[in-house]
Amino acid sequence: QKEVEQNSGPLSVPEGAIASLNCTYSDRGSQSFFWYRQYSGKSPELIMSIYSNGDKEDGRFTAQLNKASQYVSLLIRDSQPSDSATYLCAVNSYNQGGKLIFGQGTELSVKP
Amino acid sequence: DGGITQSPKYLFRKEGQNVTLSCEQNLNHDAMYWYRQDPGQGLRLIYYSQIVNDFQKGDIAEGYSVSREKKESFPLTVTSAQKNPTAFYLCASSNVAVRENQPQHFGDGTRLSIL
Repeated sequence: QKEVEQNSGPLSVPEGAIASLNCTYSDRGSQSFFWYRQYSGKSPELIMSIYSNGDKEDGRFTAQLNKASQYVSLLIRDSQPSDSATYLCAVNSYNQGGKLIFGQGTELSVKP
Repeated sequence: DGGITQSPKYLFRKEGQNVTLSCEQNLNHDAMYWYRQDPGQGLRLIYYSQIVNDFQKGDIAEGYSVSREKKESFPLTVTSAQKNPTAFYLCASSNVAVRENQPQHFGDGTRLSIL
């Protein structure tokens, strides 16, 4: 089992819809969870951090964390073509001295 | 403006040659990291450093070396022992927080190819 798993996609949604991106992790001791957006050919850009169970909203983005189920998700409301990118989930690994472990990323395509 | 500067943006390596990728940050971050990204893949950790004059191997350190002589700088050398160096190399930095891990912020990356 991979330490951080994401569906590679591509996930295709129409413009204006809600995009739902999911991530599961194996280390129950993980404390910090991050979502990065990476446009093709560019470096990752931090878009959300979440540390406690529940929802955290920032503009059109909502991160959801469920530590009991070892599950973190990112919702993008009113998706725009400019949201088309690869979204990377990153989890700190308590068992590995707090290093960030990245998932392989989910490619999102928002169709006009 | 605070940030992380990687140079060069593109780099070509000849057979048997060592090359060095530069990473400089002015965010006053304690920790710095080097990752490698292959097409369609996630990020794999090469080396990281949490304090000056100290660094640790990541998951794929073979064929690479680093130094951390200054807080602001963390250069990566890709040695001739790394037989498949073609990849996108990303440098990142973060504060080292006691209670919770701080996010990492990335430079713009260096694309390395073999001539």
